[in-house]
Amino acid sequence: DVKVTQSSRYLVKRTGEKVFLECVQDMDHENMFWYRQDPGLGLRLIYFSYDVKMKEKGDIPEGYSVSREKKERFSLILESASTNQTSMYLCASSFAGAGHEQYFGPGTRLTVT
Amino acid sequence: EDKVVQSPLSLVVHEGDTVTLNCSYEVTNFRSLLWYKQEKKAPTFLFMLTSSGIEKKSGRLSSILDKKELFSILNITATQTGDSAIYLCAVNYGGATNKLIFGTGTLLAVQP
Repeated sequence: DVKVTQSSRYLVKRTGEKVFLECVQDMDHENMFWYRQDPGLGLRLIYFSYDVKMKEKGDIPEGYSVSREKKERFSLILESASTNQTSMYLCASSFAGAGHEQYFGPGTRLTVT
Repeated sequence: EDKVVQSPLSLVVHEGDTVTLNCSYEVTNFRSLLWYKQEKKAPTFLFMLTSSGIEKKSGRLSSILDKKELFSILNITATQTGDSAIYLCAVNYGGATNKLIFGTGTLLAVQP
């Protein structure tokens, strides 16, 4: 079974703090993704990575950065958390090549106060 | 601008009812359409559709794609309370990168 795990289910941080969200997959997937999910807006792609040290911006990268030093691990970094980054963050992974579905982690609900 | 639109936004039915969820899309570089089910945790994969008119089926769930009219439907027959979830529709436009654009989802509540 594919497993995608995220470091925390719930996280509360203060405005201005640096926040790290970690994601690990165990299926040797090339592609990894970070989304945020907000009511009425659905899932929106923040960043994705198609290989170690390779990354591309998604639709809403502002205020975020990512790191992929190992194939199985993809980190999302909020350099200076703001209240408008309060959201559910979902990590996903997939094999490269068309026709592969993404597998999702359980999500991290981040609250920035 | 690429977009995926789901309807209805929410739906309340009783156990045993049949429901139809809709997904329309306007996406350049369409590769496939996917359906996911999201309960209070990770979205789980249901179907991937690439060809028009071919129904995919899994138990009480089925789905079909119309690439001419740019929509898909997800049918659930004999609904159960365990079907209560958000159903997400997504379109793969990224080819090998498998990037997806998602609709906002349909919230289905099945009452006993």
